[in-house]
This record gives sequence, C-alpha cells and structure tokens, in this order.
Amino acid sequence: GENVEQHPSTLSVQEGDSAVIKCTYSDSASNYFPWYKQELGKRPQLIIDIRSNVGEKKDQRIAVTLNKTAKHFSLHITETQPEDSAVYFCAARNSGYALNFGKGTSLLVTP
Amino acid sequence: SQTIHQWPATLVQPVGSPLSLECTVEGTSNPNLYWYRQAAGRGLQLLFYSVGIGQISSEVPQNLSASRPQDRQFILSSKKLLLSDSGFYLCAWSLKGVTEAFFGQGTRLTVV
Repeated sequence: GENVEQHPSTLSVQEGDSAVIKCTYSDSASNYFPWYKQELGKRPQLIIDIRSNVGEKKDQRIAVTLNKTAKHFSLHITETQPEDSAVYFCAARNSGYALNFGKGTSLLVTP
Repeated sequence: SQTIHQWPATLVQPVGSPLSLECTVEGTSNPNLYWYRQAAGRGLQLLFYSVGIGQISSEVPQNLSASRPQDRQFILSSKKLLLSDSGFYLCAWSLKGVTEAFFGQGTRLTVV
C-alpha cells in the first residue's frame, strides 16, 4: 500500500517567518494530495489540496508544490501567525481511494 | 449540505469488552467511507475504508473489524478490546473521484 513520509515532526518558527513541511509518497499511481490542519482535540480540516496534473497551487499565505517524478510534495506557509500553530498532515490518495496520511508536523509559531 | 455524525464522543471501556462505533453520513449517496485511529501525539492511521455497501478494505491487521450495512453507515467493531486500542477514532467520508475527505468529530476511546 501507499507509504507517506512527512518531515519534520516538529517545527518552531518566529511570527512572520515562513514554514515548510515536506512529504514523500511511494505509490506512483497516487493522484490527489491534500493537506490538513488539526487543532488540539479537534478534527482535521482541509487547508489546501493539489491534484496530480498540477505542479503548484496557492491560496493566500499557503502554497503547495508537487513533484511527481520525485514523488514528493511540500506545504509552504508564509508570514506565519500564532493562529497557524497546529498539527499539519499531508496525505496521498491512490486510484483505489485509500487515503493515507503522514505522521504529522507540530508547528509552533512564537510571537 | 452533507454532514457526518459520529458517536459517542467519548468512551471508557474495560479490557476484553466489545466495541461498536457508528458513523453516518447525510446529504450524499455512495460515498467512500474511512475509519482512522490517532494514538496520543501520533499520526492518522488508516484502519478501514469502503467504496460501497458490504465492501471493506483493511489496511492494518488487528482485532478490529468494520462493516457497512447501509450506504451511508459505517461501523467499527471489536469483540475484545485491548489496552493498545485506546486512541482517537475518526470517521471520514468523501465523494467518488479526486476530492477531499471530511472528518467526523471523533470518538476518544480509553480502554482501562
């Protein structure tokens, strides 16, 4: 099955700096790559996603890039704010609809 | 609009007791359904997913099972709980195709 690796496991940045989280996947048939944000004790919620026919997608301060050849994708958050502090998960879905997640990155934005 | 219901929100069960967690989706038909487990401070582990009634794919061998008796109902069960079954269980649904998954509120299970 699909194996999704996510790095780093923890990330601390100063407010206003950028944060980058990287993921790799193993199944070359995977075609959908969402990113979720999970605040403490709550359900994960989608923040951005990218499909395999696109190399980059941006939504305000958040961007995601995808390199299908290398089978890796990254989340970029610019101008970070304290409310960005949360656990972020990447995921990959293959054609069989299994949606596998990375182990998560705990992001802390300090004022 | 679509909604997902998952209950109970919290559950404390003794070791060796059975388990049944239920998840239902409203406002859509023929969704993909998923069960995930999140241990404390850990990632989201895919346990089961289903693309249709009676169709269950298991990702991790364990003492849990899943069933989909109706199109929008997904049940996670165990005959005998282990201490290691403690965790935060999340149900999710998605449309067919390349779309996002929506999560339920989750059930925090503590096995004592």
